[in-house]
Amino acid sequence: GQNIDQPTEMTATEGAIVQINCTYQTSGFNGLFWYQQHAGEAPTFLSYNVLDGLEEKGRFSSFLSRSKGYSYLLLKELQMKDSASYLCAGTNNAGNMLTFGGGTRLMVKP
Amino acid sequence: DAGVIQSPRHEVTEMGQEVTLRCKPISGHDYLFWYRQTMMRGLELLIYFNNNVPIDDSGMPEDRFSAKMPNASFSTLKIQPSEPRDSAVYFCASSTGGFQPQHFGDGTRLSIL
Repeated sequence: GQNIDQPTEMTATEGAIVQINCTYQTSGFNGLFWYQQHAGEAPTFLSYNVLDGLEEKGRFSSFLSRSKGYSYLLLKELQMKDSASYLCAGTNNAGNMLTFGGGTRLMVKP
Repeated sequence: DAGVIQSPRHEVTEMGQEVTLRCKPISGHDYLFWYRQTMMRGLELLIYFNNNVPIDDSGMPEDRFSAKMPNASFSTLKIQPSEPRDSAVYFCASSTGGFQPQHFGDGTRLSIL
């Protein structure tokens, strides 16, 4: 199979840093995407990694280790509006097909 | 530039009825994806098209589900007959492929009574 695992829920404080982990079976995936989904809305693209290492985009960074089947999304300077679900998704070799994990529901508290 | 457009936004119908969901991808996107999202199963890929041709339909639950893409700007997902367990949010997404992000429509919230 192509299991993708991430924690179900996390809680963090406004202004803090939070790291959301994602692990997956290394065979069959060739990259990893992160999406944000607010309740009742569509998923929106945040970041992706095809190569090992860190990709930084403003307050959001994503890291990938392909040999370890491990990725994380780092959110800095948390804001209340960051309360949402964060979905990691592995891609097939061609990069055109995504398999999503169950999502991590992040609650940011004052 | 317009995003992915889905219709209807909400659909409530009785068990046994035919349901048709519609999607217009972003112009220039060669790939179109249909997903279903439920609390229990998360976001699941049902089928995807490349240049209007179905490439992978292994996620389609059963023969009651069918999808078509008659041209580059329109796709339908049909459920016939519908059952209560089909209740979910159905998303359509499009992309240019090759590790480019998929852009999602607002979804259709489907309730089968």
